[in-house]
Amino acid sequence: DVKVTQSSRYLVKRTGEKVFLECVQDMDHENMFWYRQDPGLGLRLIYFSYDVKMKEKGDIPEGYSVSREKKERFSLILESASTNQTSMYLCASSTLAGVSYEQYFGPGTRLTVT
Amino acid sequence: DAKTTQPNSMESNEEEPVHLPCNHSTISGTDYIHWYRQLPSQGPEYVIHGLTSNVNNRMASLAIAEDRKSSTLILHRATLRDAAVYYCILRDVFQYNFNKFYFGSGTKLNVKP
Repeated sequence: DVKVTQSSRYLVKRTGEKVFLECVQDMDHENMFWYRQDPGLGLRLIYFSYDVKMKEKGDIPEGYSVSREKKERFSLILESASTNQTSMYLCASSTLAGVSYEQYFGPGTRLTVT
Repeated sequence: DAKTTQPNSMESNEEEPVHLPCNHSTISGTDYIHWYRQLPSQGPEYVIHGLTSNVNNRMASLAIAEDRKSSTLILHRATLRDAAVYYCILRDVFQYNFNKFYFGSGTKLNVKP
């Protein structure tokens, strides 16, 4: 079974703190993604990576950065957390093989910025 | 970008079939139709996908209209565990533009015992 794990299920941080959200996948997938999910807005893509050290901006990259030093690990960084970054953060991975392009999601991290 | 339209919510009785509709009137010829669902407190999970023909797997069936402007996800016998938000998503397989994997707000399915 594909497994995508995220470092924390719940996180509370203060405004201005630097926040690291970690994601690890165990299926040797090329692609990894970070989304945020907010009520009424669905899932929105923040960043994605299609290879080690490669990254592309998604729909809402402002205020975020990412790091992918190893194939299995993709980190989302909030350089200076703000209250409007309070959200559910979801990591996903996929392989490029075939056309199904199935994305496998982690359980999510609910981040609260106070 | 081709987008999808789904009802905000639907209700079903346990062990009855459920038909979840999705409209995608601006679908292009190279868009695959994907369905995902998100159980409470979990990340989304893949359900099924198709291009033109109807598709079946162990979880569900996907019925695609002949003009491809709409599709229906069919759960043959709903269980309480099927209560989730269901997302209908289009993906253009000939463009490696990951922004086109657009989730939208989905349909919240409530299953009554």
